[in-house]
Amino acid sequence: DAGVTQSPTHLIKTRGQQVTLRCSPKSGHDTVSWYQQALGQGPQFIFQYYEEEERQRGNFPDRFSGHQFPNYSSELNVNALLLGDSALYLCASSLGDRENSPLHFGNGTRLTVT
Amino acid sequence: AQSVSQHNHHVILSEAASLELGCNYSYGGTVNLFWYVQYPGQHLQLLLKYFSGDPLVKGIKGFEAEFIKSKFSFNLRKPSVQWSDTAEYFCAVSNSGGYQKVTFGTGTKLQVIP
Repeated sequence: DAGVTQSPTHLIKTRGQQVTLRCSPKSGHDTVSWYQQALGQGPQFIFQYYEEEERQRGNFPDRFSGHQFPNYSSELNVNALLLGDSALYLCASSLGDRENSPLHFGNGTRLTVT
Repeated sequence: AQSVSQHNHHVILSEAASLELGCNYSYGGTVNLFWYVQYPGQHLQLLLKYFSGDPLVKGIKGFEAEFIKSKFSFNLRKPSVQWSDTAEYFCAVSNSGGYQKVTFGTGTKLQVIP
């Protein structure tokens, strides 16, 4: 049991469309980070949400946006999808006020853009 | 910017062989270091971490890693691998005080032959 749940597990979209991915953190965790993992690559940091605000952001365009709800769950939105956005999107939760809190990952959402 | 380099993309070993996976990072400040593992069909999970103190850290399932600051390295070792160690291993780094923004390497796929 991952503790972190993501939905949906798989998604197929057409270029130019918009997509929303969802994440529920592990019980007790208040921070959600999103990562993109392209085939054959390691996870790349997109952004992190803490106290319902984006606390850090990686090198991703503004087409990637997110939200965190009062219950700490989170959404990742991607607008104007490109073929290159096809990847596994991972959500990780942690305790935001503890630097040594390790990341707990979900199983990911596999996004295919055609 | 931080970066992580993993030297081996694919490693094949026989059971009982010793394992060492290389990892070098690039960052000028104080770092936190991690090894994550992804077993087939499972989510990414923490294998071990280094924040401070003894540079030789021990993780789950008999794995250990040594932080050598002068070499910017954090190699993963196990004296005797088992078939169940077949997985993909990711080295990762975050800057101390960096709110858990973690940078991952590209991963090493380990295949253990019975």
